[in-house]
Amino acid sequence: GAGVSQSPSNKVTEKGKDVELRCDPISGHTALYWYRQSLGQGLEFLIYFQGNSAPDKSGLPSDRFSAERTGGSVSTLTIQRTQQEDSAVYLCASSLTTGGIMAGAVGSDTQYFGPGTRLTVL
Amino acid sequence: SQKIEQNSEALNIQEGKTATLTCNYTNYSPAYLQWYRQDPGRGPVFLLLIRENEKEKRKERLKVTFDTTLKQSLFHITASQPADSATYLCAPPQAGGYQKVTFGTGTKLQVIP
Repeated sequence: GAGVSQSPSNKVTEKGKDVELRCDPISGHTALYWYRQSLGQGLEFLIYFQGNSAPDKSGLPSDRFSAERTGGSVSTLTIQRTQQEDSAVYLCASSLTTGGIMAGAVGSDTQYFGPGTRLTVL
Repeated sequence: SQKIEQNSEALNIQEGKTATLTCNYTNYSPAYLQWYRQDPGRGPVFLLLIRENEKEKRKERLKVTFDTTLKQSLFHITASQPADSATYLCAPPQAGGYQKVTFGTGTKLQVIP
């Protein structure tokens, strides 16, 4: 079966423009996560979805960042008025569920990552 | 609040030796913990999961231990190879609520031929 896919793989944009990044999770996975990773740095959590709702948006760095998920599947991360500091690799992951213990199945929250979108803001 | 700590310094070892990476956590007691591998320019890949009632878990040349008293997990790679060079991430579930997995900052391992 197909893994997590992301598009575009690379995006170069000018400062001040809006960008949309897309994530297609593994079919049947109810949880979806967005992370950001700058060169040489660790994963920075942005937001995650359980179904179509986002219980935790705590990682979104500013109100220029927003994300939505429709139909419990595809998600879009939108960055408005991009800044140079937004340049990074944006990674999406999905898992069968969140809350492995709560779901009664430890490991059901194992995350499967997409290849990422490399965003460069000039 | 809960905290996850991994060796921030890179670990350089000679090929054939055993690499040991450390993950310490504080202020909570996760029921299980996952380890992932990340290669440059790619997303992390799941390796192993160990539960609190499992002292040790093995998969080929990989071994993970989980000491709930010390609040520590150790990740071992035996007979290390240059292909094992990567960043290794510790990932326990977050306390409370949806128990979302939270990733440590990772330890970069370099296996020298």
